[in-house]
Amino acid sequence: QQQVKQSPQSLIVQKGGISIINCAYENTAFDYFPWYQQFPGKGPALLIAIRPDVSEKKEGRFTISFNKSAKQFSLHIMDSQPGDSATYFCATRTSSYQGGSEKLVFGKGTKLTVNP
Amino acid sequence: DGGITQSPKYLFRKEGQNVTLSCEQNLNHDAMYWYRQDPGQGLRLIYYSQIVNDFQKGDIAEGYSVSREKKESFPLTVTSAQKNPTAFYLCASSIAPGTGGRNEQFFGPGTRLTVL
Repeated sequence: QQQVKQSPQSLIVQKGGISIINCAYENTAFDYFPWYQQFPGKGPALLIAIRPDVSEKKEGRFTISFNKSAKQFSLHIMDSQPGDSATYFCATRTSSYQGGSEKLVFGKGTKLTVNP
Repeated sequence: DGGITQSPKYLFRKEGQNVTLSCEQNLNHDAMYWYRQDPGQGLRLIYYSQIVNDFQKGDIAEGYSVSREKKESFPLTVTSAQKNPTAFYLCASSIAPGTGGRNEQFFGPGTRLTVL
């Protein structure tokens, strides 16, 4: 049972373009929505995260947009660069305050390729 | 430098053998996690531990075992009962659940296990 659906599976963007990756979730008890970036052969690293009390968070060229009513959140990469080529994972979590164990549930990932 | 180390980076195993993957962290984190990553499958949780001498099964615990005798160490044993063990294994850690904040999970560099 997949609790987080991520799309697309792969994405090719030209340098300078905008990359958009989407995730949809089912459990309304989720309270934390991070995005992780993973380069080949390496472990994932936290890129940016948002809580459901805000609709948007921006850090440099990376922005999370959050739509609580639609149960969707997305990652936007502005001015995409070849160095952004990596696999991106969205994730969600139920906090321990709501009876959860703070485990992360991951989407299946999006492989982004930014062409020069 | 603080961080998570995993060893070995590459591991080869013959069918029918048990093998243990090492994970050590010096971040003083209470919680530790093991994930399995297969192409196109995202990260799936095998086991997690929120405190020393205690651990819980994740979504795909069958054929795996763990121990948590020390705060900084969380070794994973892949037993001969695991039918398809070839995968990339990732260890992660985070501060104690329930302490609030974004409770970021930090990942190690991974161990690639291949069954011959």
